[in-house]
Amino acid sequence: SQQGEEDPQALSIQEGENATMNCSYKTSINNLQWYRQNSGRGLVHLILIRSNEREKHSGRLRVTLDTSKKSSSLLITASRAADTASYFCATPPGGSNTGKLIFGQGTTLQVKP
Amino acid sequence: DGGITQSPKYLFRKEGQNVTLSCEQNLNHDAMYWYRQDPGQGLRLIYYSQIVNDFQKGDIAEGYSVSREKKESFPLTVTSAQKNPTAFYLCASSSRRTASSGANVLTFGAGSRLTVL
Repeated sequence: SQQGEEDPQALSIQEGENATMNCSYKTSINNLQWYRQNSGRGLVHLILIRSNEREKHSGRLRVTLDTSKKSSSLLITASRAADTASYFCATPPGGSNTGKLIFGQGTTLQVKP
Repeated sequence: DGGITQSPKYLFRKEGQNVTLSCEQNLNHDAMYWYRQDPGQGLRLIYYSQIVNDFQKGDIAEGYSVSREKKESFPLTVTSAQKNPTAFYLCASSSRRTASSGANVLTFGAGSRLTVL
């Protein structure tokens, strides 16, 4: 089962531009996470936002969460060619604390130099 | 350096064969997970284990088996019953502290790519 769905599926921008990716989910959550995956590699955790938070920053990353719309967005500012990767949102199913995470299908970002 | 080691990185299997993918972590994490990723797709949970000698099925457990005899190790066997095993397999782990707090952050290995010939 897929809890999160990312939009768009693919995004191509020029270096220096901002990139925005969106994630929608279905059930109540206590947190939402974003991960990054370089081609053919494992995923790397980027940022976690809790359900009682509306916005969170980490370096060039800005994440927002709207629990009323069951959606989140990831903004990468001043993108670099090294930001080229796939980005996934992930949530615990039904707000559980079993440790499981359900991942969306991801947004593939290409940053052209 | 602490981390998760998956091996082999690439594996080829003939139809009808069982293969085992290794996953070892030295992070002292209690929980470990196996995910499958198909091209252009997200991750789907195969099995997970929150403590030694205990594991639970994920969303797509059919055709797979696991064991958790040691805290550091969580091997995945892809059996001949798995009809379409060609995929990228990712192992992950997390600490019980973050899992029980509801903010479970996963650390991933580099993955193993299995191809059926």
